[in-house]
Amino acid sequence: GENVEQHPSTLSVQEGDSAVIKCTYSDSASNYFPWYKQELGKGPQLIIDIRSNVGEKKDQRIAVTLNKTAKHFSLHITETQPEDSAVYFCAASNGGSGNTGKLIFGQGTTLQVKP
Amino acid sequence: DGGITQSPKYLFRKEGQNVTLSCEQNLNHDAMYWYRQDPGQGLRLIYYSQIVNDFQKGDIAEGYSVSREKKESFPLTVTSAQKNPTAFYLCASKGGAATGELFFGEGSRLTVL
Repeated sequence: GENVEQHPSTLSVQEGDSAVIKCTYSDSASNYFPWYKQELGKGPQLIIDIRSNVGEKKDQRIAVTLNKTAKHFSLHITETQPEDSAVYFCAASNGGSGNTGKLIFGQGTTLQVKP
Repeated sequence: DGGITQSPKYLFRKEGQNVTLSCEQNLNHDAMYWYRQDPGQGLRLIYYSQIVNDFQKGDIAEGYSVSREKKESFPLTVTSAQKNPTAFYLCASKGGAATGELFFGEGSRLTVL
C-alpha cells in the first residue's frame, strides 16, 4: 500500500524566513496531495492541495510543488509569521474513479516560528 | 454553523472497558472517517464509511468498531481488545467525489488508566 514519508519532524525558523517541508510517496498511482495544518488541541485544516496534473500551486505565502517522477512533493511557506507555528501534515491518495478520500498521512512536522 | 462535532473532548477509561466516541456532522457529507493520532506517527485510518449503512476497515481497525445508521453520525467504539487505546482520535467527513478535502472535528483524547 501507499507509504508517505515526511521530513523534517521539527523545524524552527526566524520570523520572516522561509520554511520548506518535504514528503515522498511510494504509490505511483497517487494523484492527490493535500497539506493540512493542525493547531494545538484542534483538528487538522486543509491549507493547500495539488493534483497530479499540476506541477506547482500557490496561495499567497504558501506554495506546493510536485515532482511525479521522483514521487516527491513539498510545502513552501514564505515570510513566516508566529501564527504559522503549528504541526503540518502532508498526505497522498489515489482517488480513482470514486475518490474515496482515503488519505495516507505523513508523520507530521512541528514548525516553530520565532519572533 | 456547519461542522463536525466530536464528544467527549477528554475521556478516561479503565482497562477492560469499552468506550464510544461520538461524531456528528451537519455538512450533509456522505463520507466519514475515523483517524487515530499518536506522537510522531501522523494520522492513521481506523474505519471509513462512504454511505449510510456501509463502512470499511482502514489500516488499524483491530480493536475498534463503528456503525453508520444515520448520515450525520459515525460513532467509534474502542473495545477492550484494543491493546494501546490511549490516543487522540479524529473524525472527519468529505463532500462529493469532486472534492478531496476532509473536514475534521476537534478530536477526542482518550486515556486508559
